[in-house]
Parts: sequence; C-alpha cells; structure tokens
Amino acid sequence: EAGVVQSPRYKIIEKKQPVAFWCNPISGHNTLYWYLQNLGQGPELLIRYENEEAVDDSQLPKDRFSAERLKGVDSTLKIQPAELGDSAVYLCASSLRTSGSDEQFFGPGTRLTVL
Amino acid sequence: AQSVAQPEDQVNVAEGNPLTVKCTYSVSGNPYLFWYVQYPNRGLQFLLKYITGDNLVKGSYGFEAEFNKSQTSFHLKKPSALVSDSALYFCAVREDSNYQLIWGAGTKLIIKP
Repeated sequence: EAGVVQSPRYKIIEKKQPVAFWCNPISGHNTLYWYLQNLGQGPELLIRYENEEAVDDSQLPKDRFSAERLKGVDSTLKIQPAELGDSAVYLCASSLRTSGSDEQFFGPGTRLTVL
Repeated sequence: AQSVAQPEDQVNVAEGNPLTVKCTYSVSGNPYLFWYVQYPNRGLQFLLKYITGDNLVKGSYGFEAEFNKSQTSFHLKKPSALVSDSALYFCAVREDSNYQLIWGAGTKLIIKP
C-alpha cells in the first residue's frame, strides 16, 4: 500500500514569493491534515479536512495561507506571500475515521526555506 | 484543556539497556494516546496507541507503552535498546469526543554503542 505522498520534498524561495505544496493521502482515507513543524518541535495543526470539507482551520493564518481539497482526495496548501518565519517543514497526514481510533499516517514532509 | 508533557528533552541510553521515554497528559474525557517516532529528514511514523482495554500496549519495533490512569501517564518502553532506535519520539493525546491531536514537544533518544 502506498503511503502519503508529498511534493516537493524541498523548496527554497525568496520572501514575498508564493509557494504551493501538494499532498496525496493514502487511498480511502477520508481525513487529511496539514501540519507545520519547526525544528525540534512537535507538529502544529494548520487545517483538517473531512472529505472535501475543512472542518478545523482555526490555526490557519488565513491572510496568507490557503488550502483546498476539491475532490476529497489530494490537497494543496499555498502560502502567498511567504515570509521568513514560514521556514519550516510542512507535513501532510491522513487517517480513516472510524468508530474507534484513527491513527494518522504522515508523508515525508516538504522542507520550506524562505530567504 | 488538553495538554501533553514530555518532561525530558533528551534521553541517553547504552545499547542493550532498557529505555523509557516519559509522557504525561491532561484531558477532560477518556484519553486516546499515541506514540510516534521521527527519524532524521523523515515524516512521523506511528508506533502504538492506547484506546481502551489492557493497560500495556505493544507496538512496532519492540516498543511498548503502559497506560497509567491514576498518574495520567503513558510512558514508552523497550527492554533492550538498539542504536537504530535513536530518533525523536512524540507523544500525542486526544479526547474520545475530539478528533484534534495534541502533541508533546518531543524527546530525542540517543542510544550509544
């Protein structure tokens, strides 16, 4: 079974430029998460989707960040314009929401460097 | 409010010795508890979880964790450490009624040969 796929793995941009990250979750997983992870810290949730609906975007800085999951499968996270403080690893995760637990499966992440 | 604490930034263990990585939590309802491991330049990998039932949970790579309700702890353990266990370990918790995971800050585990 293929895992969560993310691209690109690395991205270096100048500040004020736009950037986009793509995520393809595990087939059949209806829940998709975008996290931000700074070096040596735990993940911070940016947004959670149930199918195509964003059910928790309270931590997403909406002035510059946007996300979409149009067909309830793959998802794109965008930053426009990027700032120096956005340098971090952006993780995508997916899970299958059932009546029991729903452990999350993570992609390798996209490491963003803003110069 | 939900919270997770990993009181040790780093744990050093000699290869072959038992290891423990500590985690304590605070939730209002019943806790769902998770351990994840992160190797350098890799995403997080699920190790094990506690939902209900037996307090001792066994997971991947020989790891296990013990749920202690009275101490609100979920410490990760392994009887004999390997150098390859060196990585960053994260504890996470959520309430049974809330799907948002709360993550600890992580503990760096270093296993010395």
